[in-house]
Amino acid sequence: QSALTQPASVSGSPGQSITISCTGTSTDVGGYNHVSWYQHHPGKAPKLMIYDVNVRPSGVSDRFSGSKSGNTASLTISGLQAEDEADYHCSSYTPRIARVVFGGGTKLTVL
Amino acid sequence: QVQLQKSGPGLVKPSQTLSLTCTVTGYSITSNTHYWSWIRQPAGKGLQWIGRIYASGVTNYNPSLKSRVTISVDTSKNQFSLNLTSVTAADTAVYFCVSTNRGHDSFDYWGQGTQVTVSS
Repeated sequence: QSALTQPASVSGSPGQSITISCTGTSTDVGGYNHVSWYQHHPGKAPKLMIYDVNVRPSGVSDRFSGSKSGNTASLTISGLQAEDEADYHCSSYTPRIARVVFGGGTKLTVL
Repeated sequence: QVQLQKSGPGLVKPSQTLSLTCTVTGYSITSNTHYWSWIRQPAGKGLQWIGRIYASGVTNYNPSLKSRVTISVDTSKNQFSLNLTSVTAADTAVYFCVSTNRGHDSFDYWGQGTQVTVSS
């Protein structure tokens, strides 16, 4: 059982927006802004999409955005495209104990 | 561009030690901008952080695996390694070696995952 809770699956049609949630506790997601999101196409290496809750690394489309409210972080993908179909994982880093926890992953299907 | 190339057996017998090595190219493992991590993913499950190491040799481990895990670094070869002792079927997973950006503690470069199966 993963430390962070994500929905098992979400879906949307091309052009639509979807949001994936990632719920933790006040000692991880809620306590720090070290939340990251990863896109994982099966058989490939995961790719960092968002770090520090809402920062996009260079080269990541601005269709991807992150936010946080309380103990829940969210990843929003706007203008869905077929290539966005993948698994998405959230993680949270707790500096006080130097520990990383992940969510169980969310499978995004583009209809 | 940082590249991480993993080596090690894909099959390990129960109770034995799983050993993997990751060679980093395109970047010095002694750089103070990164540390070096291992992550795994059992089939059908989420990612699990195993632990990380600084070039200095300082380590941090997942508490649930700490008693069985050792991560080490060989700066002369630009490599870091994972040893996981007393393995069981529950350790069967795809294993990734990953660079961790110290500025924001996220995993910015990933090696290709390798399936490691624990079976007799």
